[in-house]
Amino acid sequence: AQSVSQHNHHVILSEAASLELGCNYSYGGTVNLFWYVQYPGQHLQLLLKYFSGDPLVKGIKGFEAEFIKSKFSFNLRKPSVQWSDTAEYFCAAGAPDTGFQKLVFGTGTRLLVSP
Amino acid sequence: DGGITQSPKYLFRKEGQNVTLSCEQNLNHDAMYWYRQDPGQGLRLIYYSQIVNDFQKGDIAEGYSVSREKKESFPLTVTSAQKNPTAFYLCASRFSSQGHNQPQHFGDGTRLSIL
Repeated sequence: AQSVSQHNHHVILSEAASLELGCNYSYGGTVNLFWYVQYPGQHLQLLLKYFSGDPLVKGIKGFEAEFIKSKFSFNLRKPSVQWSDTAEYFCAAGAPDTGFQKLVFGTGTRLLVSP
Repeated sequence: DGGITQSPKYLFRKEGQNVTLSCEQNLNHDAMYWYRQDPGQGLRLIYYSQIVNDFQKGDIAEGYSVSREKKESFPLTVTSAQKNPTAFYLCASRFSSQGHNQPQHFGDGTRLSIL
C-alpha cells in the first residue's frame, strides 16, 4: 500500500535552532506533496505544497521544503525556530491512484520549542 | 467569513448509540472528506465525496456512514458497530473540479468520547 512516513515522532529544540523534519513517500511517478501544521487547539493549516517545477518550495512562516525525487523525500526545514512553532506537523501525499482526490498522511511529528 | 464548520466541538456518547457529527462548508468546494485523528497515527480517511449524492469509502469506513444530499453538508454518523469510536474527527473540503493541485482545507474538529 502507498504510504507516507515521518520518522521523527517527537522533536525538542531550543529557540533559534534549525529544524528539519523528515518525510518519505512511497509513490512512483507524479506526486503531490503537502505539509500541514496543527497548532495547539487550532485546525490544520497548510504550510506549503509541491506539485511540479522548482523542487525547493517556500511556505508560510519561514518554512520551506525540498522535493528530492531520487530519495522519495519531502523534508521540511526552517533555519531558526521560534517558541510559536510548537505544534504538530503532518506530511501528506496526493494519491495518484485516485486521481489525487485522496490524501495519505504521515503519523505526524510533535515539535516542542523551548524558549 | 468562508470556512468549514464542525459541530459540536465535544460530543459524548453512550455505548450502543449512534451519533452524527455535522460538517458544513461555505467555500463552494466540490469535495468533502472525513478523517479520524488518533495520537501517533496521524489522520486516517473514513469517507470522502467528490460530488453531491456520491461518496466513497476511505481506509477505515467500517462502523461509519455518511450522506451528501447538499454540496455544503457532509454529515458523518458513528454507528454502534464502530468498536473504538473515541477519537478526534476532522472534516475537510477542497475544489476538486479545479484540478488535482487544490489543497484540502480543514475544520476545527469534533472530539468524540464514549461514556
